[in-house]
Amino acid sequence: EDQVTQSPEALRLQEGESSSLNCSYTVSGLRGLFWYRQDPGKGPEFLFTLYSAGEEKEKERLKATLTKKESFLHITAPKPEDSATYLCAGSSNDYKLSFGAGTTVTVRA
Amino acid sequence: DAGVTQSPTHLIKTRGQQVTLRCSPKSGHDTVSWYQQALGQGPQFIFQYYEEEERQRGNFPDRFSGHQFPNYSSELNVNALLLGDSALYLCASSSGGAGEQFFGPGTRLTVL
Repeated sequence: EDQVTQSPEALRLQEGESSSLNCSYTVSGLRGLFWYRQDPGKGPEFLFTLYSAGEEKEKERLKATLTKKESFLHITAPKPEDSATYLCAGSSNDYKLSFGAGTTVTVRA
Repeated sequence: DAGVTQSPTHLIKTRGQQVTLRCSPKSGHDTVSWYQQALGQGPQFIFQYYEEEERQRGNFPDRFSGHQFPNYSSELNVNALLLGDSALYLCASSSGGAGEQFFGPGTRLTVL
């Protein structure tokens, strides 16, 4: 069964203090590793898809990387508006996404 | 360009009742997936609809059923509601079921 584990569960950062979130996955025949951002009470917002080990993608202060066993979401010089829960999901086929529990990031001004 | 829309936003039901949630996919998308998200947890896959048929199902009982219409919109039905069904129900759309899934704002269901 596909399994996705995220760490840490929560992360408190000072504005400008860079950090990384981890996503470990056990997904047979990984077809894609997805990152989403979710604000309280709202639906997840798509950020990135990574398809193969070594791939990297960037968007503003966020950068996602992928190895054969895990993915990292790097947040560079975060701002308070980057506060959210970041979800990682793996897909072993074209259909369902298997999500981790998320990392809740709080950035203090 | 309208994104994924869901209705209603919030719903309160009592145990044993039945509920229907609705979803309209993003323009150009033909596939709808439904997820249940309990507080503090990641979304859990319920099922996916493509070409008006259920294509894959997660570990949810038969009380959870769905439908997809010719215009690609979808409904999620839950019968015999339990307290544990209280959650945020998310609809996601994609093209052909592959690649990125885009989520709606969700329906918050509370079962009393």
